[in-house]
Amino acid sequence: GAGVSQSPSNKVTEKGKDVELRCDPISGHTALYWYRQSLGQGLEFLIYFQGNSAPDKSGLPSDRFSAERTGGSVSTLTIQRTQQEDSAVYLCASSLDRGLGSHEQFFGPGTRLTVL
Amino acid sequence: AQSVTQLGSHVSVSEGALVLLRCNYSSSVPPYLFWYVQYPNQGLQLLLKYTSAATLVKGINGFEAEFKKSETSFHLTKPSAHMSDAAEYFCAVSDQARGRRALTFGSGTRLQVQP
Repeated sequence: GAGVSQSPSNKVTEKGKDVELRCDPISGHTALYWYRQSLGQGLEFLIYFQGNSAPDKSGLPSDRFSAERTGGSVSTLTIQRTQQEDSAVYLCASSLDRGLGSHEQFFGPGTRLTVL
Repeated sequence: AQSVTQLGSHVSVSEGALVLLRCNYSSSVPPYLFWYVQYPNQGLQLLLKYTSAATLVKGINGFEAEFKKSETSFHLTKPSAHMSDAAEYFCAVSDQARGRRALTFGSGTRLQVQP
């Protein structure tokens, strides 16, 4: 079946602009994660959605970052007033999250964001 | 807070040689541990996971890892390296017991395989 998809694959923007990154999780997966991969910081957790529960936003680096998940499926990560340090690959993952044995996270190919 | 340390940002082995990638974790409760592989310009793919069952875990592509609580380690091994194993490898931990499913990753180890 189809895996996690992300769009766009590449995004170049100017400092100060807003960007939206999209993630389509695997159908039926109840949990969705956003991570950021950058040279300086490695792989960092950003935000986690699980079903109808309040999202875990503990990894968001600033209030310029926000995310939503509509209808328990597609998610959008929004970065407002982008800064050069936001340049990174943004990875989305999804998982079934039903019980102890269903927590494998499947990753999408990522969106490479470059802020000029 | 949990953390993961991967010793060696770059490892180079000859084709056919043993692969050993080191991972040590820090967690106040028994963790779930994972190894992921990332090929160039691709997302992360799960190699194997430890979830408190057998301490020796076998994964895909001939990789395996052993959970050693006394050493807080979860090193990844493969008896014989193939050229196709060249990639970046990430060790990760999640604190499932606390309901925190987000992964904390190590800094990664880039594996080179020499012909």
